[in-house]
Amino acid sequence: SQQGEEDPQALSIQEGENATMNCSYKTSINNLQWYRQNSGRGLVHLILIRSNEREKHSGRLRVTLDTSKKSSSLLITASRAADTASYFCATDANGANSKLTFGKGITLSVRP
Amino acid sequence: NAGVMQNPRHLVRRRGQEARLRCSPVKGHSHVYWYRQLPEEGLKFMVYLQKENIIDESGMPKERFSAEFPKEGPSILRIQQVVRGDSAAYFCASSARATNEKLFFGSGTQLSVL
Repeated sequence: SQQGEEDPQALSIQEGENATMNCSYKTSINNLQWYRQNSGRGLVHLILIRSNEREKHSGRLRVTLDTSKKSSSLLITASRAADTASYFCATDANGANSKLTFGKGITLSVRP
Repeated sequence: NAGVMQNPRHLVRRRGQEARLRCSPVKGHSHVYWYRQLPEEGLKFMVYLQKENIIDESGMPKERFSAEFPKEGPSILRIQQVVRGDSAAYFCASSARATNEKLFFGSGTQLSVL
């Protein structure tokens, strides 16, 4: 079964608007990470939040983590056309240090 | 500082041939991970290697697939006797430490099996 599941599957917004993406997971984790993938490219690490943290900021990114609900959200403020990409959450399922488990991703389209 | 380099970028093979995918990690990184991505899917973990050692191969199919990360040279993912179902994008990632925090990904190899 999928460890990380993002929603919505696709999101289309206007430039300047905020984009909120959610991720749910099933097992306990050490950390949760968000990655971005531009079409035809590899993933780029955006932000990591540890299980003992509730919120973290990095530039226009804000990530929250609710371990009681096993969910996380990624907020991109003041979106730009260049933010158009797929976004994935990744967790280290069961605290395993060797691998990350990725969700299916969210396709974000930012209209100029 | 070069990032993770994967080659070839695109690889076309006929059924039954062998595919060899190469990955050079970020300079100084000794931990390499291979992932496979099917269209509209997330990345599926295949194998985690350190120099000369396979640490976790729980995501590798039991047959036809193998991986190595020699003391010198790139990591190699080898697929023998390819079938159409092997068609996918294969991504390599590296990290400096034995944690999964902040992996650096290559641009991937798109394998197409005819």
